[in-house]
Amino acid sequence: QLHQSGPGLVEPSQTLSLTCAISGDSVSSKIASWTWIRQSPSRGLEWLGRTFSRSKWYTNYAVSLRSRIVINSDTSQNLFSLQLNSVTPEDTAVYYCARKPGADWGNALDIWGQGTMVTVSS
Amino acid sequence: QSVLTQPPSASGTPGQRVTISCSGSSSNIRSNTVNWYQQLPGTAPKLLIYSDSRRPSGVPDRFSGSKSGTSASLAISGLQSEDEADYFCAAWDDSLNGYIFGFGTKVTVL
Repeated sequence: QLHQSGPGLVEPSQTLSLTCAISGDSVSSKIASWTWIRQSPSRGLEWLGRTFSRSKWYTNYAVSLRSRIVINSDTSQNLFSLQLNSVTPEDTAVYYCARKPGADWGNALDIWGQGTMVTVSS
Repeated sequence: QSVLTQPPSASGTPGQRVTISCSGSSSNIRSNTVNWYQQLPGTAPKLLIYSDSRRPSGVPDRFSGSKSGTSASLAISGLQSEDEADYFCAAWDDSLNGYIFGFGTKVTVL
């Protein structure tokens, strides 16, 4: 299970911050990856990035967001987080966290959070 | 913008077979496995097909996936009213180094 938390309203130029709490698995898993996706009517489903632990922690980010995005993990609370800086109204979307379970599943995302509608507006 | 192309809509009557196409390129569908997601209104996407044609536990065998070259397809046989939803294809893209989604196909049960 993945449970998302975070504000639904962010002012333009500020930072969007969301967390995704994991139950039934570990953010430190050596086979799973932890992903953020967003969905809007104009952009559809958009992969934002992921974090995963192997011999060390790794992150991959969507090229279009690389200058503004940070995905972190918190092993003490078994969660991962999304920060998106300098937001504009174009960042308004439903944000989802999701799990990529492992190599046998390719790049499929098998468990999703409930989604958080984030509106960027003053 | 998405580099996986799906028809915006598809429809059928109960019991019919509906097929949804997903067209990509050598950097995504040809090189990597395709996944399909079903999204009911107001809910998160649900994994329907992974690794081109495999079904997660609990997904009815009415749903099947296939792939050939740079295209993939999702077939729904024995269409049911509860299948009315949006369906998305997805794959890793080696050029973008990211996971990409099609824009979705809305399936209507007439």
